[in-house]
Amino acid sequence: KNEVEQSPQNLTAQEGEFITINCSYSVGISALHWLQQHPGGGIVSLFMLSSGKKKHGRLIATINIQEKHSSLHITASHPRDSAVYICAVEAGSGGSNYKLTFGKGTLLTVNP
Amino acid sequence: DTAVSQTPKYLVTQMGNDKSIKCEQNLGHDTMYWYKQDSKKFLKIMFSYNNKELIINETVPNRFSPKSPDKAHLNLHINSLELGDSAVYFCASSIQTETYEQYFGPGTRLTVT
Repeated sequence: KNEVEQSPQNLTAQEGEFITINCSYSVGISALHWLQQHPGGGIVSLFMLSSGKKKHGRLIATINIQEKHSSLHITASHPRDSAVYICAVEAGSGGSNYKLTFGKGTLLTVNP
Repeated sequence: DTAVSQTPKYLVTQMGNDKSIKCEQNLGHDTMYWYKQDSKKFLKIMFSYNNKELIINETVPNRFSPKSPDKAHLNLHINSLELGDSAVYFCASSIQTETYEQYFGPGTRLTVT
């Protein structure tokens, strides 16, 4: 079982819909990252959070450390939001050896 | 100016060859990483360097040898390439190792025939 589980694996929505992608993890972490991988392959960091909630434009990320769960929400979805969204948890055993462990990604397709 | 750049973008080579991928960041970051994305698009860390020092070596075959000549560069040399090495390799950087956003390069698609 992967340390980081995302759901759903695939998501198709109509333009304007509210989107939620979930991420659960099984280890203690120092932070959780949400990444976006465009169809062309480039990876962009959307959020890094260790508690609470963050918002950038139409994107909102929340994390519940006690429940080991995070959600990524997209409001008023648009076809340009179509991408793979990847959850990654950051953990380490001390010193500088913190590393990201990735979920398998959620492929989001937003139709016009 | 590109923040994290990689060369080449595409690399096609035959089994048994030796090849290198270069990565440079102009963000002034202290930490750099190599990730491998397999055919199922699953990302996994290979190496991390902090101030030119190897921090993480994630059970990667020793045919893979990273080299960091300075904080702005992290190159990946691969000896005796195998079919299973075909993947997209991403370089990334961050200010430090813990709880900092990572900036990714555009990726290098390696195809071994």
